[in-house]
Amino acid sequence: EVVLTQSPATLSLSPGERATLSCRASQSIRSYLAWYQQKPGQAPRLLIYDASNRATGIPARFSGSGSGTDFTLTISSLEPEDFAVYYCHQRSDWPPITFGQGTRLEIK
Amino acid sequence: EVQLVESGGGLVQPGGSLRLSCAASGFTFSSYAMNWVRQAPGKGLEWVSYISTTSSTIYYADYVKGRFTISRDNAKNSLYLQMDSLRDEDTAVYYCARPTGGAVAGLDYWGQGTLVTVSS
Repeated sequence: EVVLTQSPATLSLSPGERATLSCRASQSIRSYLAWYQQKPGQAPRLLIYDASNRATGIPARFSGSGSGTDFTLTISSLEPEDFAVYYCHQRSDWPPITFGQGTRLEIK
Repeated sequence: EVQLVESGGGLVQPGGSLRLSCAASGFTFSSYAMNWVRQAPGKGLEWVSYISTTSSTIYYADYVKGRFTISRDNAKNSLYLQMDSLRDEDTAVYYCARPTGGAVAGLDYWGQGTLVTVSS
């Protein structure tokens, strides 16, 4: 089973700052990684699929990069609505499909 | 507009059963594989099960294998999850989710979720 480890667990930043979230896989997953944003009481929202492709309607300030075992989600300039929990997810070596434990992005 | 609407959640005693449904609309349901994903209160996301377009391929997470059964009815645009021998640790919001067309990793549409509470 591929284990995804996200870091940091919590990231405290201010609006306008740049956010860099990391997801590390326990083995190579090529580029088969996705990123989601989840706000309290809501379903997850797909941001990035296959490591670097923005999903429909996702603002350009969100970008994904990486391949193999190390992946990054970057938010270039934080907007107030970006403060949420972010999850990564792989579907390379499956089943099972696995998710990271999440990074909470909070307002500093 | 793509919509996924789950139903069937509720309170059930340990050892009991529930059947969740997911009604799909706004897309050609029969052309997409589907997944169930759950989230325990205050916890992260956890994949539960996958079913291919024709139901020929089905996968389960180890922690539900032998207790849960995924199925679909393409004529009714519906996805199901039969949950038997429920345990306290199955308490969660259950989401149905559609894979992103043309991608390997990504679930682009999710329902609003239905809460399953297993408790005596």
